[in-house]
Order: sequence, then structure tokens, then C-alpha cells
Amino acid sequence: EAQVTQNPRYLITVTGKKLTVTCSQNMNHEYMSWYRQDPGLGLRQIYYSMNVEVTDKGDVPEGYKVSRKEKRNFPLILESPSPNQTSLYFCASSLWGEEQYFGPGTRLTVT
Amino acid sequence: AQKITQTQPGMFVQEKEAVTLDCTYDTSDQSYGLFWYKQPSSGEMIFLIYQGSYDEQNATEGRYSLNFQKARKSANLVISASQLGDSAMYFCAMREGSMNTGFQKLVFGTGTRLLVSP
Repeated sequence: EAQVTQNPRYLITVTGKKLTVTCSQNMNHEYMSWYRQDPGLGLRQIYYSMNVEVTDKGDVPEGYKVSRKEKRNFPLILESPSPNQTSLYFCASSLWGEEQYFGPGTRLTVT
Repeated sequence: AQKITQTQPGMFVQEKEAVTLDCTYDTSDQSYGLFWYKQPSSGEMIFLIYQGSYDEQNATEGRYSLNFQKARKSANLVISASQLGDSAMYFCAMREGSMNTGFQKLVFGTGTRLLVSP
């Protein structure tokens, strides 16, 4: 089954404790992206990647890191999480940028 | 500057009626793509429909159609024959660039909450 998976689905952590949210797709897609969703703001792009080792900033990259060492994986790293990073996070992938397949979301709470 | 504007925070429609969700966009690119996504209360993002800037025909997918008016920079979603299961948040989004020029950021609007009543 074609899908984008994210782990964990829910995470509660404390300020400053490094964490990684994994994202994996099994569709051999070139393009992958991370978004955060906050009430009243819609989805905002954090980072995106057009291919292995090619990443670029979206609209809200501050406080986040990504890497794309393999085509299928695109982890999101929060080196020192802060409460303002409490949000719902989505990973997405697409072949050439038309239909984007979204993962199920990761709800992160930073206390 | 906001690139995607959805001016309707909420919309109500009766079952079996048609509803139009508004979306206007702003870009100086010649090549871009417009998307609509549905987010039910369960939280997942469901792709509904896509319109490329060079597509001459309005996109349609089942009960969904995209009313693309390039000169007015609008890309409204029309849902025909609404169903109770259509109650959800709907997001309009734009991708600038193309496979040839390199994809740019994907930008979302703030969404419209649609409630379908029996």
C-alpha cells in the first residue's frame, strides 16, 4: 500500500530535549516536505527536499533541521524544542509536485 | 504578503446542495499549481483536486470541480450534491515552479470549515 508514515504519532516532551520525528514514504517520490499546522494559521511549510541531499527552507524553518540521506526518509529534527513548537506536524511526499501524499500527522507538545 | 486567501472561515450547506469554497492566490510565476485538500475531524489531509496553471480545462474529480479563473487569480472549489461526510476543513494551496524550473514552496490558505446539515 502506497503510504507516508510518521513516528511517533503523539509526543510530549520537555523544553530543550532533542527529538526526531521520522517520515518515510514507499512510493519512490522525489519531493518530500514538512509542515506544521496551528489553529487559524493553516499549514506552513518548514522544510522541503527535491531529492537526496537537496533540501531548502520553507516559511518557518527556525528551530528545525532536516536531512535527506535516502530517498524514502526525511526526518525532522528539533535540536532544542521550545513550547512554541507545540503543533501538529505533517510530512508529505509527491513525485513531481502535483498530488502530495500526507502522513497521518504527529502531535507534539513541548512543556 | 499572503499568497493564498480563503475569506470564508466557515460555510454551511444543506445536504444535496452545491457549495462553493473561495480561494484567491497571488503569484508572479507563470508556472504554478493549485490544490484543494480536505481535513476531516480525524486530522488526516486528503487530496481532492489539482489544477495546473497551464491547464485550459477546469479540473474535475467526481463531485469536486475547481473553478479556475486565471485572470482573477481565483481557484474556487465547487462541491456538488453535498453529503454529511463532506463536513470538514478545506484548504487551498499553491505550488510555485515546476519540474523544469524547480519546485518552490507549497503555501496553504488558512482554511474554510464546511458544515453539511441534514
